[in-house]
Amino acid sequence: TQLLEQSPQFLSIQEGENLTVYCNSSSVFSSLQWYRQEPGEGPVLLVTVVTGGEVKKLKRLTFQFGDARKDSSLHITAAQPGDTGLYLCAGASDSWGKFQFGAGTQVVVTP
Amino acid sequence: DSGVTQTPKHLITATGQRVTLRCSPRSGDLSVYWYQQSLDQGLQFLIQYYNGEERAKGNILERFSAQQFPDLHSELNLSSLELGDSALYFCASSVNGLPYNEQFFGPGTRLTVL
Repeated sequence: TQLLEQSPQFLSIQEGENLTVYCNSSSVFSSLQWYRQEPGEGPVLLVTVVTGGEVKKLKRLTFQFGDARKDSSLHITAAQPGDTGLYLCAGASDSWGKFQFGAGTQVVVTP
Repeated sequence: DSGVTQTPKHLITATGQRVTLRCSPRSGDLSVYWYQQSLDQGLQFLIQYYNGEERAKGNILERFSAQQFPDLHSELNLSSLELGDSALYFCASSVNGLPYNEQFFGPGTRLTVL
């Protein structure tokens, strides 16, 4: 069974600070996705990365896929209270969308 | 609103009972996924369907079964329920079920087994 480990489990920061969330595995993934989930709602996709070494930027969010496609990171610059949520990474390793989710990182940004 | 609908929103039942959760995918999406989310296990992939056929299986118990109908809606059947089955159950859909496709999640069904 592949395991996606996310760290840290919980992150509390002040508005304006930067943060990085990590997603690591011993297995290779064909693609990796990052989601944000708010209480009482389903996860919402932020980004999909498919190429080793790929870097994608979404406004203040920067996503990186490791060269070996085993790990990924999410960096948020100048965090805002609206960034509060549970950040989940999900990896797919075969031709169909059988996804393995990490346990998530709970991010709290206080004004 | 993701366009994925799930019913019911909440379900409270007793141990040993059987329940059916229903999901309607986004218009045009052919693939449906089911997930279970609990506090101690996180978000666990259960099963995936594409155009009516099972395509991938995850950590789905034998007491659980699912199907996708010709109109593409899907049902997840949970039987002989145990206390540990209490969780949020999410349905998601995607265009064609491939790994790089975006999955759109429904609002979930919260199941409580007493």
